[in-house]
Amino acid sequence: GENVEQHPSTLSVQEGDSAVIKCTYSDSASNYFPWYKQELGKRPQLIIDIRSNVGEKKDQRIAVTLNKTAKHFSLHITETQPEDSAVYFCAAIYNSGGSNYKLTFGKGTLLTVNP
Amino acid sequence: DAGVIQSPRHEVTEMGQEVTLRCKPISGHDYLFWYRQTMMRGLELLIYFNNNVPIDDSGMPEDRFSAKMPNASFSTLKIQPSEPRDSAVYFCASSFGQGNQPQHFGDGTRLSIL
Repeated sequence: GENVEQHPSTLSVQEGDSAVIKCTYSDSASNYFPWYKQELGKRPQLIIDIRSNVGEKKDQRIAVTLNKTAKHFSLHITETQPEDSAVYFCAAIYNSGGSNYKLTFGKGTLLTVNP
Repeated sequence: DAGVIQSPRHEVTEMGQEVTLRCKPISGHDYLFWYRQTMMRGLELLIYFNNNVPIDDSGMPEDRFSAKMPNASFSTLKIQPSEPRDSAVYFCASSFGQGNQPQHFGDGTRLSIL
């Protein structure tokens, strides 16, 4: 199956700085990579996703980059704000056989933005 | 769009009791997923359905766990008998299509087995 590694496990930045979270995956056939933000006690919420036919995608202060050759993808948050503080999960889809696809999640990164 | 709706939000029960978690997917979504989240193991996929049919239950930890989807708007995850190690947050998610389609999560059920 797919193995997704996520780093760092914790990240602390000052308000206004940028934050970068990196993930690697093992299945070269993976073609969909979503990122979820989970605030304490809340549900994982999809914030951005990227498909393997593009190398970068932006949505306001959030961007995701994908390097298929190296099998890694990253989340970039610019001009961080205290409300960005949360746990962020990366994930990769993989084919588990036939037409079955599953998401495998990284272990998460606790981002703290200090005012 | 009401989103994925789960109930109850919190459940506290004693070991050995039956627990039933409920989920209503987003209308029109044809895939439904059950996940379990713990500090030790993170987010794990337990089982998923396509058009109400279970497709992959390889993540179900043991026979004490069962899931059903009697119709397109309702699914249950049942644990019988429950054990303290089943304590976790259980999330239901749904998507329209599989593969590279976004999954949308419900608010989860925080389950505590005493």
